[in-house]
Amino acid sequence: GEDVEQSLFLSVREGDSSVINCTYTDSSSTYLYWYKQEPGAGLQLLTYIFSNMDMKQDQRLTVLLNKKDKHLSLRIADTQTGDSAIYFCAVSTDSWGKFQFGAGTQVVVTP
Amino acid sequence: EPEVTQTPSHQVTQMGQEVILRCVPISNHLYFYWYRQILGQKVEFLVSFYNNEISEKSEIFDDQFSVERPDGSNFTLKIRSTKLEDSAMYFCASSGNNEQFFGPGTRLTVL
Repeated sequence: GEDVEQSLFLSVREGDSSVINCTYTDSSSTYLYWYKQEPGAGLQLLTYIFSNMDMKQDQRLTVLLNKKDKHLSLRIADTQTGDSAIYFCAVSTDSWGKFQFGAGTQVVVTP
Repeated sequence: EPEVTQTPSHQVTQMGQEVILRCVPISNHLYFYWYRQILGQKVEFLVSFYNNEISEKSEIFDDQFSVERPDGSNFTLKIRSTKLEDSAMYFCASSGNNEQFFGPGTRLTVL
């Protein structure tokens, strides 16, 4: 079955860029998503990319996809303290299908 | 902005009791899901629902679990006889336009 891996922790200084990485195993994964979870809260959809795209930019967020290596990354420019959260990578073979989630990357932003 | 809502936010129950977790998906969405997140672990898919029937379920979703869309707006998850290991955060999601939106979750604590 699909396996989605993320590094568990990232510490970044306020104002710097954060890069969160994700790898997946199923080459038929077509829809790739990033969610943000703040303490005690639900999963907030941040952005997503289709497998026929290499990059997607949305304000401070940039998603890069290397389909050959099955590697997805999320870059947050000018990281703020409000960006401190757990970030989940999730992949699916269909837009209506089940998601496979990574374990989440805890991002801590220090002043 | 439309959102997925869930009630209750926190449910405490005794082992062996039945619980019903409720969700109101986004109104024009057609696909609905339940996921769970045991504390400190990955978000895991339980079941997807489309056209008033289960479209896919995971190994976790055994005979103790059932889902229902009783009235065209609510989407419920029933656990017939709760076990200690059912303690988790349960997320409802609905999907439309390639985006899967999650509710805030119900924290289920089984004592």
